[in-house]
Amino acid sequence: EDKVVQSPLSLVVHEGDTVTLNCSYEVTNFRSLLWYKQEKKAPTFLFMLTSSGIEKKSGRLSSILDKKELFSILNITATQTGDSAVYLCAVTPLRGETSGSRLTFGEGTQLTVNP
Amino acid sequence: NAGVTQTPKFRILKIGQSMTLQCTQDMNHNYMYWYRQDPGMGLKLIYYSVGAGITDKGEVPNGYNVSRSTTEDFPLRLELAAPSQTSVYFCASSYSLGTSVREQYFGPGTRLTVT
Repeated sequence: EDKVVQSPLSLVVHEGDTVTLNCSYEVTNFRSLLWYKQEKKAPTFLFMLTSSGIEKKSGRLSSILDKKELFSILNITATQTGDSAVYLCAVTPLRGETSGSRLTFGEGTQLTVNP
Repeated sequence: NAGVTQTPKFRILKIGQSMTLQCTQDMNHNYMYWYRQDPGMGLKLIYYSVGAGITDKGEVPNGYNVSRSTTEDFPLRLELAAPSQTSVYFCASSYSLGTSVREQYFGPGTRLTVT
């Protein structure tokens, strides 16, 4: 059974701090890892990582994957109150064409950024 | 494009009642999914569909049924509501071709309470 573990489960920081969110996984025949941001409504897509060691970056957010150690990190620099959300990590396995897009989610990290 | 739309937004059911959660997408995505999210938890896959007429079970299918008669619509049916089905339900869609993976787009969710 595929498994995704995120840490920490919750984090409180001050504006301007840098945070690192962790995601470790166990999946048979890994295909990709995805990060989503959820602000009291539907999750919105941040990154998809498929190759080890290649950083994906969007503004103050960046993410990298380590396929050997089976984990990913999501970094947020110069945090703002608008970054407050639950950050979800999910993996999708390579298990035939029809099941390959199924996502297994972690519990998420609740990030609170105080002014 | 409206993206993924879900109705209703909120619903309260009595134990044993039935209802259908509606989901429609206008992005011509072939894959569609239903997830549930319990408080403080990640999303768990209930059912998914890789195209019209094709559906398959996810992690937590018991107590639910789905159908996919068109590309656009993917309704989720609860036949005999139980308190354990109190949750937020998200519908999602994605476009996949062969073994390629694209991100999933989520609807706004339906908050269901069974009492």
